[in-house]
Amino acid sequence: ILNVEQSPQSLHVQEGDSTNFTCSFPSSNFYALHWYRWETAKSPEALFVMTLNGDEKKKGRISATLNTKEGYSYLYIKGSQPEDSATYLCASTNYGGATNKLIFGTGTLLAVQP
Amino acid sequence: NAGVTQTPKFQVLKTGQSMTLQCAQDMNHEYMSWYRQDPGMGLRLIHYSVGAGITDQGEVPNGYNVSRSTTEDFPLRLLSAAPSQTSVYFCASSYSRSRYSYEQYFGPGTRLTVT
Repeated sequence: ILNVEQSPQSLHVQEGDSTNFTCSFPSSNFYALHWYRWETAKSPEALFVMTLNGDEKKKGRISATLNTKEGYSYLYIKGSQPEDSATYLCASTNYGGATNKLIFGTGTLLAVQP
Repeated sequence: NAGVTQTPKFQVLKTGQSMTLQCAQDMNHEYMSWYRQDPGMGLRLIHYSVGAGITDQGEVPNGYNVSRSTTEDFPLRLLSAAPSQTSVYFCASSYSRSRYSYEQYFGPGTRLTVT
């Protein structure tokens, strides 16, 4: 069983601040890393799927990087807005299993205050 | 497309009762999975399926059965409910082709309480 860890557990920032979170995962047999955004009372929604070392992906003010050799990914939010408040989940999958068999971290809860 | 649908949204069971949580998707996704979400534990994989007729265990399969007779449906059965199965259950689906990992689409969840 993979062990996917996320830090910090929670984060409170002011509107306009930029912030970042970390996801660490076992680097051996790595296959893919997913990021999801999960708003309260809703379902998780996909942000990024990354597979290659050095991958960088961007969607609006949110971006992510991937380092498969050392086993970590960063998620960045530039100029946080109250609507960015959510739990951000990362999940990893490895060779030897189904390509979409994801093991999730426990998430980082972001609260953006106006 | 309706996406991924789950029924019921809420359910209360007594210890020892059995029930089936329904999940359906209309996106022709090969891969479907069930997760449970507990405070401080994140999403934990219960069972998954890579296509009709094929299922496999995830991290926490005990006490649950699944079957996949069609591409669209992936029901989760609780054989004899226990209070430890009180949780929120999410079904998810995605494309599944070798050498690619695709984003998962989640259903709205089923909140289950076992007394």
